Amino acid sequence: GAGVSQTPSNKVTEKGKYVELRCDPISGHTALYWYRQSLGQGPEFLIYFQGTGAADDSGLPNDRFFAVRPEGSVSTLKIQRTERGDSAVYLCASSSSAGSANEQFFGPGTRLTVL
Amino acid sequence: SQQGEEDPQALSIQEGENATMNCSYKTSINNLQWYRQNSGRGLVHLILIRSNEREKHSGRLRVTLDTSKKSSSLLITASRAADTASYFCATVVDTGRRALTFGSGTRLQVQP
Repeated sequence: GAGVSQTPSNKVTEKGKYVELRCDPISGHTALYWYRQSLGQGPEFLIYFQGTGAADDSGLPNDRFFAVRPEGSVSTLKIQRTERGDSAVYLCASSSSAGSANEQFFGPGTRLTVL
Repeated sequence: SQQGEEDPQALSIQEGENATMNCSYKTSINNLQWYRQNSGRGLVHLILIRSNEREKHSGRLRVTLDTSKKSSSLLITASRAADTASYFCATVVDTGRRALTFGSGTRLQVQP
């Protein structure tokens, strides 16, 4: 596709449930990032992949959050035992390499609501 | 945690006026980027300025960087109603960390 895509666009779940959020990066982009944005705030970094491996997962808030990128393309962010505080927009971005001066291209996000 | 703080938090101007937004950050950086966000969803990259640069232009955008003061400004000239959005600065730090660290944003409203 032409840009980064994320599915679903909206997800409503109940407290304690498990959710998976998907990100399709721009074809050929080796670097993939997950961010979380709460209302009225800027995005906060969660995890960064270079290829298949998680190069930096220092932003994951706790062990309920996990992400994979098994073939170096699509990534899935997994949240176990969801809590109301997990409600936010989850943004995915990709860039053409791991170079720090590279522009990141963002997807439209998944709005997660935990009831 | 938020690296940057944008100032002002909200700005309302008339079409045709210039809009200036400021960003301050805390640690040394490799580069600083500005992004625009409409309707709280996807972000669009506007401009990147490296730590060894002081000023950069792109169309109606002008960005300055003062590393001694750890601050940057974004100027939008001859604003249009379509410029209405939230604007965020984001830094890439010097430690090799590739992730962007965003500020809390400035909400710009351009009145037609």
